[in-house]
Amino acid sequence: NAGVTQTPKFRVLKTGQSMTLLCAQDMNHEYMYWYRQDPGMGLRLIHYSVGEGTTAKGEVPDGYNVSRLKKQNFLLGLESAAPSQTSVYFCASSYVALVHTQYFGPGTRLTVL
Amino acid sequence: KQEVTQIPAALSVPEGENLVLNCSFTDSAIYNLQWFRQDPGKGLTSLLLIQSSQREQTSGRLNASLDKSSGRSTLYIAASQPGDSATYLCAVARGNKLVFGAGTILRVKS
Repeated sequence: NAGVTQTPKFRVLKTGQSMTLLCAQDMNHEYMYWYRQDPGMGLRLIHYSVGEGTTAKGEVPDGYNVSRLKKQNFLLGLESAAPSQTSVYFCASSYVALVHTQYFGPGTRLTVL
Repeated sequence: KQEVTQIPAALSVPEGENLVLNCSFTDSAIYNLQWFRQDPGKGLTSLLLIQSSQREQTSGRLNASLDKSSGRSTLYIAASQPGDSATYLCAVARGNKLVFGAGTILRVKS
């Protein structure tokens, strides 16, 4: 039981490049989330999903897109990376939103030059 | 808009000391409040979850309290150990989402 895994762990991009971050969970959780964490700030919600085939915007969705084609996977895409997207990205999942806690992946450290 | 504030931002204590971390939030209409631990370079690990109808939760040396009316929660750590060194984040749940504070960086010196 791996829990929540994230791929890749580190990535460096040039401004304007695109990439996809992959999150996978093996706990059969319905809800999945993408957050970013910046120095001196808490985690901020980018997008989330309440089930397979659904997505919704969080607090800071601009510049990101997501897809949830399979229940166990949640993809975060950056179409045209900007230096302001340099951050640590965390994926999380939960069985039922709010009633149960969220389980977090180890994070992806992204640098945009 | 819900805002979550954690004080202090950083704390350094000698081993064995009891300590309190504070969390305050601006909107009392929350579903629950959670405390997480984050080790350097790692993801978050849930410590305690307090439902809005509860006043406190305990797990081992950790005790978290919730006062919705005043918009405050405290995390009490008894007999601190060097292994407790980490960043502690609180988060309040509203709608389908968690709103996080910036965290308290705790260092326990041996």
